[in-house]
Amino acid sequence: EVILVESGGGLAKPGGSLRLSCEASGFNFNNAWMTWVRQAPGKGLEWVGRIKSKTDGGTTDYGRAVEGRFTISSDESKSSVYLQMNDLKIDDTGIYYCTTDDCTDVSCHDHWGQGALVAVSS
Amino acid sequence: DIVMTQSPLSLPVTPGEPASMSCRSSKSLLDSNGHNYLDWYLQRPGQSPQLVIFLGSHRASGVPDRFSGSGSVTNFTLEISKVEADDVGIYYCMQGLQTPHTFGGGTKVEIK
Repeated sequence: EVILVESGGGLAKPGGSLRLSCEASGFNFNNAWMTWVRQAPGKGLEWVGRIKSKTDGGTTDYGRAVEGRFTISSDESKSSVYLQMNDLKIDDTGIYYCTTDDCTDVSCHDHWGQGALVAVSS
Repeated sequence: DIVMTQSPLSLPVTPGEPASMSCRSSKSLLDSNGHNYLDWYLQRPGQSPQLVIFLGSHRASGVPDRFSGSGSVTNFTLEISKVEADDVGIYYCMQGLQTPHTFGGGTKVEIK
């Protein structure tokens, strides 16, 4: 069974930092592309960013709202992906989901964590 | 960035009746490989999202066949042939053609 568990959420002040972790189990993490998606209170989904597997280059991509402030990294030895959030803004408040999928052209199965709550307030 | 626009915002449905919702993209999602990089997600109240349709028209694992996706290029549709109570929630389309991936604003499906 695939399990994704986020941790590290909490309260931060504007301009502050937080680091989210997502620990994965039940699949080959070394081949997985991991994505962070967030949801502000009462709002829709927003793509935060993604890290490719090391075997596919390990490169990262980010959403416009977080580019330059957030950094995604991974540790294969811990089957974990991280979201370092710096220079936090009030608009960064929300639930942050870690997600991955196992897809081909004809089949696809996605997996999501339960989410980590981030609150940015003075 | 590619802008995704969904309609309607709200969709009251009667159990057993069909339902349909639309998603439009500001740029073609049809890749040279013939795939439309458009996914549909359902977020039930209080839950994490889950994939319903990928590559425009393929049902994700475990998704009932009452769900179907269609469309190409910039116009896409998600249909539910006979709505069940378990189908309520917010449906989001998302383009995966280019980064940053972008979501539509969502269509909220609720029982009449």
